[in-house]
Amino acid sequence: QVQLVQSGAEMKKPGASVKVSCKSSGYSFIIYGVSWVRQAPGQGLEWMGWINPYNGNTIYAQKFQGRVTLTTDSSTSTAYMELRSLRSDDTAVYYCARGRYSDWLEIDHWGQGTLVTVSS
Amino acid sequence: DVVMTQSPLSLPVTLGQPASISCRSSQSLVHTDGNTYLSWFQQRPGQSPRRLIYKVSSRDSGVPDRFSGSGSGTDFTLRISRVEAEDVGVYYCMQGTHWPPITFGQGTRLEIK
Repeated sequence: QVQLVQSGAEMKKPGASVKVSCKSSGYSFIIYGVSWVRQAPGQGLEWMGWINPYNGNTIYAQKFQGRVTLTTDSSTSTAYMELRSLRSDDTAVYYCARGRYSDWLEIDHWGQGTLVTVSS
Repeated sequence: DVVMTQSPLSLPVTLGQPASISCRSSQSLVHTDGNTYLSWFQQRPGQSPRRLIYKVSSRDSGVPDRFSGSGSGTDFTLRISRVEAEDVGVYYCMQGTHWPPITFGQGTRLEIK
């Protein structure tokens, strides 16, 4: 069955960076895109960006451009999200999610989420 | 960016009664390929989102048939025919027709009266 398993909770200080991993199994990793979506405490869902594991192409939400980097390692079917210059309002649960794509994008399966807490 | 607006934001429902959530988009979600990439997700307390419906009305595998989706253009609805206790959570609509970015509705919190 399709599974996306994310790395564990992180606690960071303002200004630091965090890198979250998302290991996929149960499907062909390079066929589906991977989106990253975050959810601040008690808030809704916010799309951060997307990566094509086949060729490494990325698309970032304007809000995160320059501060986030998405990468993949096809040898381990793992996607990564690095967020830099962390602020307190980056405290959120970060999700990876896979989906089919073309000039449209779907999301079907989600990881379990990784809580990133930013506090001095 | 396409703005997705859900209503109501809070939905108290009696067990066994129907429930309905509306989602409106700021522009038509009909893609040039003829499909409409509007999905519905359920997020139970403390869990990740789970997709229930894709392309407006297609139910995902394992989703109870009491969940149904309908609509077209800019106006969409998620219906639950008879609410059960396990349906408590927050429901989100999401569009993937006009991306980037994909956008979500604000979420509708369903609770049992």
